[in-house]
Amino acid sequence: NAGVMQNPRHLVRRRGQEARLRCSPMKGHSHVYWYRQLPEEGLKFMVYLQKENIIDESGMPKERFSAEFPKEGPSILRIQQVVRGDSAAYFCASSPGAGPPYEQYFGPGTRLTVT
Amino acid sequence: QQQVKQSPQSLIVQKGGISIINCAYENTAFDYFPWYQQFPGKGPALLIAIRPDVSEKKEGRFTISFNKSAKQFSLHIMDSQPGDSATYFCAASVTSGTYKYIFGTGTRLKVLA
Repeated sequence: NAGVMQNPRHLVRRRGQEARLRCSPMKGHSHVYWYRQLPEEGLKFMVYLQKENIIDESGMPKERFSAEFPKEGPSILRIQQVVRGDSAAYFCASSPGAGPPYEQYFGPGTRLTVT
Repeated sequence: QQQVKQSPQSLIVQKGGISIINCAYENTAFDYFPWYQQFPGKGPALLIAIRPDVSEKKEGRFTISFNKSAKQFSLHIMDSQPGDSATYFCAASVTSGTYKYIFGTGTRLKVLA
């Protein structure tokens, strides 16, 4: 039973380029969350998606960041025109759906470095 | 009001000792409190979680104590082992909302052999 998968594990981008981070939830999970972890800090919520729907994007920066979870395929977190401050670890988590259990299962993360 | 305050920032414990990490919150709508363990370069792994209808939950060497009136909860690691050396995060969520987690800032635990 594979866990949450994220790729790439490491991504290096120059300032101004685009970063695409992918997340495949656990089998049977239809809810995906994205969190960002800055060095030596806790995780900050960015966005919560269900298939084809963005449910809560209150933690997402208003510009340059977007997320999707299409009917088929992984969830994508897209960062356009990256800046040095975007350097962080981005974690995806998944859960089975609304209602208990409420556990979220995290992937190994994508570590983005902007040079 | 959405914050979860975690302390201490770092903790050093002798092997076999008890590690205690504390968290406090303000939002009384929070009703789900998980703890996660994170090793360097890895994703957070769920350790144990509690709902506010119980005051204590134990799983193996890990115990959550919950004080609803004080809006505080804590993680106790009994018989701490060097393999427990990791960063621990508490979190809180509103299960009637969007289930997003609000995380504490983390506690870096080192267990000395």
